[in-house]
Amino acid sequence: QSFLTQPPSVSAAPGQRVTISCSGSKSNIGNNYVSWYQQLPGTAPKLLIYENDKRPSGIPDRISGSKSGTSATLDIIGLQTGDEAVYYCGTWDSTLGVGGVFGTGTKLTVL
Amino acid sequence: EVQLVESGGGLVQSGGSLRLSCAASGFSYSNHALSWVRQAPGKGLEWVGRTRNKANSYTTDYAASVKGRFTISRDDSKNSLYLQMNSLRAEDTAIYYCAKSTVRGVIIYYFDYWGQGTLVTVSS
Repeated sequence: QSFLTQPPSVSAAPGQRVTISCSGSKSNIGNNYVSWYQQLPGTAPKLLIYENDKRPSGIPDRISGSKSGTSATLDIIGLQTGDEAVYYCGTWDSTLGVGGVFGTGTKLTVL
Repeated sequence: EVQLVESGGGLVQSGGSLRLSCAASGFSYSNHALSWVRQAPGKGLEWVGRTRNKANSYTTDYAASVKGRFTISRDDSKNSLYLQMNSLRAEDTAIYYCAKSTVRGVIIYYFDYWGQGTLVTVSS
């Protein structure tokens, strides 16, 4: 069971902008912070965005996040070939017995 | 530099047990919550469970899929996290990551550092 829904794939050319959506419900995104993770091929996930729209040190400002209601969005502008990866959203689901939840993942292809 | 290094993965038969370890360094280990997250081959991320810090009585929570079979523990004197996995099933086959977690109350806000993962394969 997936609590957070993402598009399976998105693509854009270098230099362009891409938006990845993450749809949830009141019990998860609606009442908790959202984080975003980048997983390059063969590597562990890496934190890109936390608490909806904050960037850890070292993450460039061409990457941004936002949240509205029960959905969240990751925006990447000025796409680079090195951005090609799978992106996951994550949050906490307050439903009893659920806990941490992740999105289904979105494969970003830089054409 | 924060480092998390998992070990203990391998091949185990269905119904068997395995214990994973995660050695941490580069941060004040005893002050932080830690989680296990897994990823089945070619699939997405799945939260397995977490342990809070001493100040929060080392309380643990688990995903429904592993509750009653998996146990998370930690040894702050060794900066180590453990995952005891019993009654393993084929669907438990995955890469298991340990992740440093930022928590407020019972809620995990985010996973800020991840280990490289260790592969567990359960044969049926």
